[in-house]
Parts: sequence; structure tokens; C-alpha cells
Amino acid sequence: GQSLEQPSEVTAVEGAIVQINCTYQTSGFYGLSWYQQHDGGAPTFLSYNALDGLEETGRFSSFLSRSDSYGYLLLQELQMKDSASYFCAGENNAGNMLTFGGGTRLMVKP
Amino acid sequence: DAGVIQSPRHEVTEMGQEVTLRCKPISGHDYLFWYRQTMMRGLELLIYFNNNVPIDDSGMPEDRFSAKMPNASFSTLKIQPSEPRDSAVYFCASSNDVTEAFFGQGTRLTVV
Repeated sequence: GQSLEQPSEVTAVEGAIVQINCTYQTSGFYGLSWYQQHDGGAPTFLSYNALDGLEETGRFSSFLSRSDSYGYLLLQELQMKDSASYFCAGENNAGNMLTFGGGTRLMVKP
Repeated sequence: DAGVIQSPRHEVTEMGQEVTLRCKPISGHDYLFWYRQTMMRGLELLIYFNNNVPIDDSGMPEDRFSAKMPNASFSTLKIQPSEPRDSAVYFCASSNDVTEAFFGQGTRLTVV
């Protein structure tokens, strides 16, 4: 099975940089995805890493280290609208299952 | 495409009643997932289908829960009989591969 651990809450100020970590213990791990969910909304896809290293998409970047079973989501130039929950999700090596971490609630303050 | 469509958006029912949640995936997607979200347990994968075939239902909490996908454009999640502890937001998601899943807006179920 899969188990993904994230901090429950992170607080940062507008304009700052914040890193949300995710450690995983999985059998047959294949890749790591990140999703954003605003209160009352649905999770929406942000990024995906199958290979080690950094993937950059605008203000958001995601990193994976398979040897350390670790990844993170980096949010730069924080804006108030970035206040949301962020989930890491693991894909197994059959490529057909997605298990979510417990989510990190990010609060951006002025 | 209008995205993944779930109905109803909200459902309030009495304990013991049957509840049916519906999902229309994005056309052309091969995978369909049912998730349940609560504050205590987060996002739990209940079951997923590939090409209309159930692949893994190990997340279904108990026999009161059942899911079907009679064709590529429709799936149901049924709870019979419902209990207060089933109160949650139920999400349906579809994808071509699991690197990017598209979620519906969810059904907020309240069992009283």
C-alpha cells in the first residue's frame, strides 16, 4: 500500500516563499502529484514528478527525490488566493492508482 | 467538455435510507475514481475503474457501499442503508492516466 505524510498546517506572509513537504512509504511507487483544494471546492491538479529533480510551473515548483522517498511543493511570491489545502498524491507503478496524503492547509497572511 | 459532472451536489437523508450518487466522467477518460473526504480521514480512495471494470475496491468501507459503471459515461456509488458516519463529501474523478485526475465538484452527503 501507500502512505504519504504532510504537515497539517503552514502559515506564511504575502510575497514570501513556502515549501510544503511530503514523505512517502509506498510499495511500487512511480510518481508524485500535487493538488490544490480551496475550501468548498474540488482538488485541482498542480504538478507531477516521475523523475528526480525540480519541475517548474510559473510560481509553483515541485521536487522529487526517489532515493529519499521525499518531495516538496514550492510556492513563490505568495498571494492571498494561494490560501488553500495542498495534497501530495502517489501513483503506484502499475500507473493506475492515486493515494492522497492528509493535506497541508496553507494560510497566507497580509 | 463540461468536466466531471456529479449529482446531486447536496443530499440530506435519514439514517437507513438508500443513497445513490452519480457521476459522468470526461469523455474519453479510461479511469474513474470515487473518493470520500472528511476532516478526520482526509481524501480516501474508495474504488476505481479502468475501462468500466472495477480494479480495486479495497477502500470501500463495508458491504453497505457498492459502485457500478455500466458504461463509459456513467457511474454510481450507492450506500444502503446509510448511517450518520457516512456523512462526507464524495468526489468522483476521471483521467487518462493517474498523473492528472480531474475532479467533479463533489456531493456533500449528510445522513441524519
